[in-house]
Amino acid sequence: GQSLEQPSEVTAVEGAIVQINCTYQTSGFYGLSWYQQHDGGAPTFLSYNALDGLEETGRFSSFLSRSDSYGYLLLQELQMKDSASYFCAVRDKGNTPLVFGKGTRLSVIA
Amino acid sequence: DVKVTQSSRYLVKRTGEKVFLECVQDMDHENMFWYRQDPGLGLRLIYFSYDVKMKEKGDIPEGYSVSREKKERFSLILESASTNQTSMYLCASSSTSGRADEQFFGPGTRLTVL
Repeated sequence: GQSLEQPSEVTAVEGAIVQINCTYQTSGFYGLSWYQQHDGGAPTFLSYNALDGLEETGRFSSFLSRSDSYGYLLLQELQMKDSASYFCAVRDKGNTPLVFGKGTRLSVIA
Repeated sequence: DVKVTQSSRYLVKRTGEKVFLECVQDMDHENMFWYRQDPGLGLRLIYFSYDVKMKEKGDIPEGYSVSREKKERFSLILESASTNQTSMYLCASSSTSGRADEQFFGPGTRLTVL
């Protein structure tokens, strides 16, 4: 089976940097994804890592270390609108569906 | 823009009723998924489909069935609704040729079973 661990809640100050960690256990590994979900909204795709290293998309970056079964989402220059839940998700084989973590609720405070 | 629509945003049903949740996507995606989302439990996969008339059980299929008669439409059926099926239901779709692991979600249906 597969399991993912991520913190349930994180609080950070506007303008700061926050890192949301995700560790996973899978029989195989095809990639790690991140999704954002605002309250009352649908999850939206943020990033995907299949290889080790950092992927940057604007203020958001995602990192993967396959040897450590670990990844993180880095949010820089935090804005109030970044307050949302963030989910990591993994796929252990090419044609199997994503498995989602339980989500991290990020609260950005002034 | 990819659009995934769900038939209702809010639904209230009685215990024992048969419930149909409809999902339609307009981008010719091969893959479609049904999840339920409950506080503290994240997104849990109920059923998925990689092709028309094809369906596969996810992690929590008990009490549910699905139908995919057309590529764009994926229906979730609760044969006899129970109170423990009160939840937010999310439909998603993805393309086999698109950006890896990018799923597009509908707005969700909040189902209450009384």
